[in-house]
Amino acid sequence: GAVVSQHPSRVICKSGTSVKIECRSLDFQATTMFWYRQFPKQSLMLMATSNEGSKATYEQGVEKDKFLINHASLTLSTLTVTSAHPEDSSFYICSAREGDYGYTFGSGTRLTVV
Amino acid sequence: GQQLNQSPQSMFIQEGEDVSMNCTSSSIFNTWLWYKQDPGEGPVLLIALYKAGELTSNGRLTAQFGITRKDSFLNISASIPSDVGIYFCAGQLHQFYFGTGTSLTVIP
Repeated sequence: GAVVSQHPSRVICKSGTSVKIECRSLDFQATTMFWYRQFPKQSLMLMATSNEGSKATYEQGVEKDKFLINHASLTLSTLTVTSAHPEDSSFYICSAREGDYGYTFGSGTRLTVV
Repeated sequence: GQQLNQSPQSMFIQEGEDVSMNCTSSSIFNTWLWYKQDPGEGPVLLIALYKAGELTSNGRLTAQFGITRKDSFLNISASIPSDVGIYFCAGQLHQFYFGTGTSLTVIP
């Protein structure tokens, strides 16, 4: 089945710095990937849809200048949290779809901004 | 973003009991999916449904795509301790949205 690799699994950064999270589709190509954010004991909220070779589509209320998405290849999408603040601390998860396998999720990235 | 209404929010059951949870939406979807998420991990796909009325099983799990295309349910039969986790439904039309989640606790 499809596998999506997400890295890093955990990151702690200082307030004001930027953090990059990678999402890779292994053994399949993904023209579209999705980025979610999840707060403790809550559901996943779609942040943006990452499109290979074009601009990402952001959900209402998500700042595109703060959450930079780059989908430079068919197997890699990156999410950069710029000028991170403590309120950006969250669990970030990406997903991609391969054919009929449905949407496969990465293992998530726990971001803590101190 | 849109969220789907999922119920119940949490369940505490005895091992061996059956579990039922459902998901409703004001919008129609072409696909319904059910996922399980363990703490600190990403969701793992349990069952995918692609047609209204479809009933699909995966071991002790059974899920159905509602006829109206606005709802879906998931049943777990003869629960075991490793069923513990948070279960999410997800609906997809042009985009993909998650339910609010059902936290399941199985008491041995």
